[in-house]
Amino acid sequence: QKEVEQDPGPLSVPEGAIVSLNCTYSNSAFQYFMWYRQYSRKGPELLMYTYSSGNKEDGRFTAQVDKSSKYISLFIRDSQPSDSATYLCAKDRAGGGADGLTFGKGTHLIIQP
Amino acid sequence: NAGVTQTPKFQVLKTGQSMTLQCAQDMNHEYMSWYRQDPGMGLRLIHYSVGAGITDQGEVPNGYNVSRSTTEDFPLRLLSAAPSQTSVYFCASSPVQGNNEKLFFGSGTQLSVL
Repeated sequence: QKEVEQDPGPLSVPEGAIVSLNCTYSNSAFQYFMWYRQYSRKGPELLMYTYSSGNKEDGRFTAQVDKSSKYISLFIRDSQPSDSATYLCAKDRAGGGADGLTFGKGTHLIIQP
Repeated sequence: NAGVTQTPKFQVLKTGQSMTLQCAQDMNHEYMSWYRQDPGMGLRLIHYSVGAGITDQGEVPNGYNVSRSTTEDFPLRLLSAAPSQTSVYFCASSPVQGNNEKLFFGSGTQLSVL
C-alpha cells in the first residue's frame, strides 16, 4: 500500500461550488502535511502547509487533518475556473528527514464556468 | 527573483545517450532535490542535497548522478539514457535548512528517450 492515497479523478464541479479533495495515509508518524497545486505543464506550487491536526484556513482554502482516521482534506470555497488544476497532497515520511516527503498521485479538478 | 530555473524545457534523446538537466535557484536555499513525475506514479524523489558538497539518494536514483559544487546549482546527469527514463523532471528547493518542507518547484523538463 502506497503511503499516501489520492483519488485521481477527474472531479468536475460547477463554478461557485464547495470542493472537497481528500487523501488517506497509512503511516501515523508524521510532522507536516502539504497541499500543492499543479497547472498543466507547470511545476507544483505550495498551497497549504500544516504541522498539526485540525483545520488551517487561508482565504478560500481550508486544510483539515484528522489523525484518528488518517485523513487529509482540502476544501475550496467559491470555486473559480482558475482553480482547475491537479491537486497533490504530501506528507513527510515516517521518521522525517531530508528525504522524507511522500506525494499522492494527484486529483484532477475541473471547475465548470 | 527567478526562483528555480530548469533547462532545457524539452529534450529528446536516443537510447544510450547521456545528458545533463540543469537546475539553478537564486533564493539561497541550502536544500535542493530532483523528482520525476510519471502518469499513475506521482512524484518520486531521485536525489537530494542538503548543502554544497553533500548529496544523497532518494527513492529512484538508479541511472542518475548529481553533484552540488555551489549553493545555486544542482545538475542531474543521465549516464546512459533508457526509455524507462522518459518522464517529466522537476527540480525543487526549500528554505528550510536540512529539510524538504515548503518545496519550491521549477517548471520542469520533459524528456523523451527513444
